[in-house]
Amino acid sequence: AQSVTQLDSQVPVFEEAPVELRCNYSSSVSVYLFWYVQYPNQGLQLLLKYLSGSTLVKGINGFEAEFNKSQTSFHLRKPSVHISDTAEYFCAVTFTGFQKLVFGTGTRLLVSP
Amino acid sequence: DGGITQSPKYLFRKEGQNVTLSCEQNLNHDAMYWYRQDPGQGLRLIYYSQIVNDFQKGDIAEGYSVSREKKESFPLTVTSAQKNPTAFYLCASRTTGHLGQPQHFGDGTRLSIL
Repeated sequence: AQSVTQLDSQVPVFEEAPVELRCNYSSSVSVYLFWYVQYPNQGLQLLLKYLSGSTLVKGINGFEAEFNKSQTSFHLRKPSVHISDTAEYFCAVTFTGFQKLVFGTGTRLLVSP
Repeated sequence: DGGITQSPKYLFRKEGQNVTLSCEQNLNHDAMYWYRQDPGQGLRLIYYSQIVNDFQKGDIAEGYSVSREKKESFPLTVTSAQKNPTAFYLCASRTTGHLGQPQHFGDGTRLSIL
C-alpha cells in the first residue's frame, strides 16, 4: 500500500543552525514528491517538487530536498534557518496511476533565537 | 492575481444544521479538492472533482456532500450526519494532464460546533 511517513512530529532548532526534516514513502510504483509549508491559520504553500531528473531539488526560501530512490526518502534541508521558518511542513506524494495526493502527518519546525 | 478563495474564514455550526463552505478559483484549473485537517493527522481527502459535473469520494466522504456546477466553484456541505465536524477545511485545485502538477491551496475555513 502507498503511504507517506514523517517520523518527527516536532523539530526544535536554534536560529542559523541547519535543519533536516525527514520524509519516507512506501510505493511499488513511480512517484512524484512535494514539500509544502503551512503557517498558522493559512493554507499550504508549495516549497519544492521532484518529478524526474536531478535528485537534488532546490525550492523557495533557501530550502532543498534530495530524492533517494533506494531508501524511498525525500528529506528536506536548509543550511541556516530563520525565526520566520517556524511553521508546519508537509511531505506529499502522488503515486503513478492514482489521482490523489497523499500527505504525511506533518513536522512542526520551531526556530528559537 | 489568480488564486483560490475560501469563505468564510470562520464558521460555527449548531447541532442538526447543515453548513456550506465556499471555494472559488480563478486559476482555470480543471481539478479541485477538499481536505480536512485535524491536529497531528495531516490532510485527509474528502471529495475531489476532475471536471465539471463530476466528482469522486475521497477517504472520508461520509457526512459531506459537494457539487461542481461551474469550473470555478466547488462548494462543500457539512451535513448533520457528520458527527465530528470541528476541523480546518482546505480547498485546493490543480491543472490536469500530468500528475506532477502541484495543487494550489486556499487559506482554509475553520469550522466549530456551537
